Amino acid sequence: LAKTTQPISMDSYEGQEVNITCSHNNIATNDYITWYQQFPSQGPRFIIQGYKTKVTNEVASLFIPADRKSSTLSLPRVSLSDTAVYYCLVGDPSGNTGKLIFGQGTTLQVKP
Amino acid sequence: DAGVTQSPTHLIKTRGQQVTLRCSPKSGHDTVSWYQQALGQGPQFIFQYYEEEERQRGNFPDRFSGHQFPNYSSELNVNALLLGDSALYLCASSLGGGGEQETQYFGPGTRLLVL
Repeated sequence: LAKTTQPISMDSYEGQEVNITCSHNNIATNDYITWYQQFPSQGPRFIIQGYKTKVTNEVASLFIPADRKSSTLSLPRVSLSDTAVYYCLVGDPSGNTGKLIFGQGTTLQVKP
Repeated sequence: DAGVTQSPTHLIKTRGQQVTLRCSPKSGHDTVSWYQQALGQGPQFIFQYYEEEERQRGNFPDRFSGHQFPNYSSELNVNALLLGDSALYLCASSLGGGGEQETQYFGPGTRLLVL
């Protein structure tokens, strides 16, 4: 599975839009990009997944440029409860590997 | 629709002991993966069970073993516990068979402390 690089930490304020960028230069053709959110002492929670262009759900948007070597998770109007660690993963979900490779993630701190 | 459940929530053991952790997958899921998460680190893949067999294994010693039951629930066993085994152990379930985006759903984890 491709390795990812993302900032260790980010700070924001309530009501702001937060963009977390992830680099995955060695992404393979069949790889998807998936983001997870994790609160302290809880399991990671699936946020969003995409392959190319833009994906949006009720929680976030995922922007993927044409070369797919990076992606950006966008959280609109964050609140204090969005304070968490965000993980970017890439892999082939159809390959039956089931092996998610997590990096250290980005710790997002939302301030009042 | 029940999500992934794990038991116990917390556990304290001493070095050399053995421990068994349990996981029930999300309703409709047939695949269970186990992860170890040390403090301040991302989860590390231990192994995955599908159709009652270990399908894939991460870089963990043989002290870590598992089992999957016909109802798809799973156990993680760790023998000869070391201080370094202290971590949050996460179970994730998904739908096997491939061909679809295989999103994994995580349980709340079991916090293991080895003294």
